[in-house]
Amino acid sequence: KNQVEQSPQSLIILEGKNCTLQCNYTVSPFSNLRWYKQDTGRGPVSLTIMTFSENTKSNGRYTATLDADTKQSSLHITASQLSDSASYICVVSAFDISGTYKYIFGTGTRLKVLA
Amino acid sequence: GAVVSQHPSRVICKSGTSVKIECRSLDFQATTMFWYRQFPKQSLMLMATSNEGSKATYEQGVEKDKFLINHASLTLSTLTVTSAHPEDSSFYICSARRQGADYGYTFGSGTRLTVV
Repeated sequence: KNQVEQSPQSLIILEGKNCTLQCNYTVSPFSNLRWYKQDTGRGPVSLTIMTFSENTKSNGRYTATLDADTKQSSLHITASQLSDSASYICVVSAFDISGTYKYIFGTGTRLKVLA
Repeated sequence: GAVVSQHPSRVICKSGTSVKIECRSLDFQATTMFWYRQFPKQSLMLMATSNEGSKATYEQGVEKDKFLINHASLTLSTLTVTSAHPEDSSFYICSARRQGADYGYTFGSGTRLTVV
């Protein structure tokens, strides 16, 4: 079982609508949680970063939330645009048993925004 | 700050040849860089951790003689796919972490490798 699970796997919405992507993780303890946007054929680009003590973080139309008790995070996209069509990846960073800093990638959500 | 440049963005090569992909940290030094492989509609899969001045650490199942990694300086890591086969065709991405405050990993723009 993946330590970072995302849902839905894919999502199609109309331009201008809002949507929320989910991320559930079992990594514990963790250093921080990030949301990345990956356009097709490109590398991931960071959207938000939250430590375990933060509940919400915004970046323009993107708002991420974190509930460290339930180990859940969400990414809310407001007033979607065609350019929001991409894969969104939830990444939890933590130190492994040897003390090495690791990135644990979620399975990703593919979002398609239609005109 | 924290820009990672990856080159080339696309490459087509013949079976049996070798291909080199470069990953450069442009405005910071990176003692550690990471190489990922990504299949269509899947998330990134860590292949290896590149360490400046020492041997790379490969993930289980990744052939180190197939995917040669060289981290010769604090700003450059290279991945060489040797004796390429069509099944090596994939999207390869590198990342580097800026030390200090939690900058996290910055990713390169990726390289689409097609082996014909």
